[in-house]
Amino acid sequence: AQSVTQLDSQVPVFEEAPVELRCNYSSSVSVYLFWYVQYPNQGLQLLLKYLSGSTLVKGINGFEAEFNKSQTSFHLRKPSVHISDTAEYFCAVSDTGAAGNKLTFGGGTRVLVKP
Amino acid sequence: EAGVVQSPRYKIIEKKQPVAFWCNPISGHNTLYWYLQNLGQGPELLIRYENEEAVDDSQLPKDRFSAERLKGVDSTLKIQPAELGDSAVYLCASSPGLEAEAFFGQGTRLTVV
Repeated sequence: AQSVTQLDSQVPVFEEAPVELRCNYSSSVSVYLFWYVQYPNQGLQLLLKYLSGSTLVKGINGFEAEFNKSQTSFHLRKPSVHISDTAEYFCAVSDTGAAGNKLTFGGGTRVLVKP
Repeated sequence: EAGVVQSPRYKIIEKKQPVAFWCNPISGHNTLYWYLQNLGQGPELLIRYENEEAVDDSQLPKDRFSAERLKGVDSTLKIQPAELGDSAVYLCASSPGLEAEAFFGQGTRLTVV
């Protein structure tokens, strides 16, 4: 079984300040890792994903994340946030086995960008 | 390319009534998911299809929930009878397969009164 823990339920941050959202996962097999963003009353939109290769992954809207296998983490960062980054962010894992694309989500981190 | 389409967007029903949600995935996507999202929480998988086969329905409350995916394309999720605790957003997503992300619809917000 796999699980995802997002360590911060809410992160307030001032505009143009950096932000880091923490994600740790647990799995008995190799995983793929994803970050999604959800704006109010919308579905989830992919920010970035890690499949293999370089552990530093760049995504849309200036976000990046770093995969750390030894610490089983996939933290999301942005060097300078905008008001429009106010949203909920979800980390997700999918095992790489032949069983297919089983996608498990964390509980989410609500980011509130203040002017 | 059209995204994942869900209908209705909003539904209000009285408890003990039946309700159904419909999902049209992205063309060519073999994997289809139904997720339940309670307020302030992450999505929780209800059922996952690979083509027309339900390969993971361990989290689906089978006493009141049912789902089908006709011809491996569209899918319907049904609740009968609905309970107050079923009030949530029901998300449908599809994926072309392994190593690919899931693409989500806008969800159906169900309110049971």
